[in-house]
Amino acid sequence: AQTVTQSQPEMSVQEAETVTLSCTYDTSESNYYLFWYKQPPSRQMILVIRQEAYKQQNATENRFSVNFQKAAKSFSLKISDSQLGDTAMYFCAFMNGETSGSRLTFGEGTQLTVNP
Amino acid sequence: DSGVTQTPKHLITATGQRVTLRCSPRSGDLSVYWYQQSLDQGLQFLIQYYNGEERAKGNILERFSAQQFPDLHSELNLSSLELGDSALYFCASSHMGGAGGYTFGSGTRLTVV
Repeated sequence: AQTVTQSQPEMSVQEAETVTLSCTYDTSESNYYLFWYKQPPSRQMILVIRQEAYKQQNATENRFSVNFQKAAKSFSLKISDSQLGDTAMYFCAFMNGETSGSRLTFGEGTQLTVNP
Repeated sequence: DSGVTQTPKHLITATGQRVTLRCSPRSGDLSVYWYQQSLDQGLQFLIQYYNGEERAKGNILERFSAQQFPDLHSELNLSSLELGDSALYFCASSHMGGAGGYTFGSGTRLTVV
């Protein structure tokens, strides 16, 4: 079974600065997908960014980018120019790409607070 | 609005009762997933349906059941409710296997008293 670990329960950053959230995962599969979801105080789950394991290029979405290290099974999220609206719980998630309709396995989450 | 509609948004009920949570997936999405988010256990996968058929099952209790109807909406039935069932229940949908990521609804907050 796949496991996802987020070792930082809480983090804080000053507005406009850069912060990196860590995520590691364990799998024996070679084809899979990784995701970061954001859950603001509204509790809505919002997809931030996704990465396909067979792509070596790190995914980017505006101020959000990932550092995907496949050999190390690491998938960190970097948020640049942090904004107050980035305050949220961030979840790293894994999906097995070999099975159609695979479930998302989530990490425990990292609570990020952006301070003014 | 994500396109995934969950009703009701809030539900308060007594122990031993039965409730039904409803989910309408985003237009065109064939897969529906149910997740439970408790304070102490994060997001736990319950069950997945694809085009009306059960596709995968997670740690779903025997007291819980679900189904997906021909119009693709889904219902999660929770019976003999216990205090520990209090949680946020999310429905999510995807077009096919979900590799593009799920779209989540806003959740149903269930409180068992």
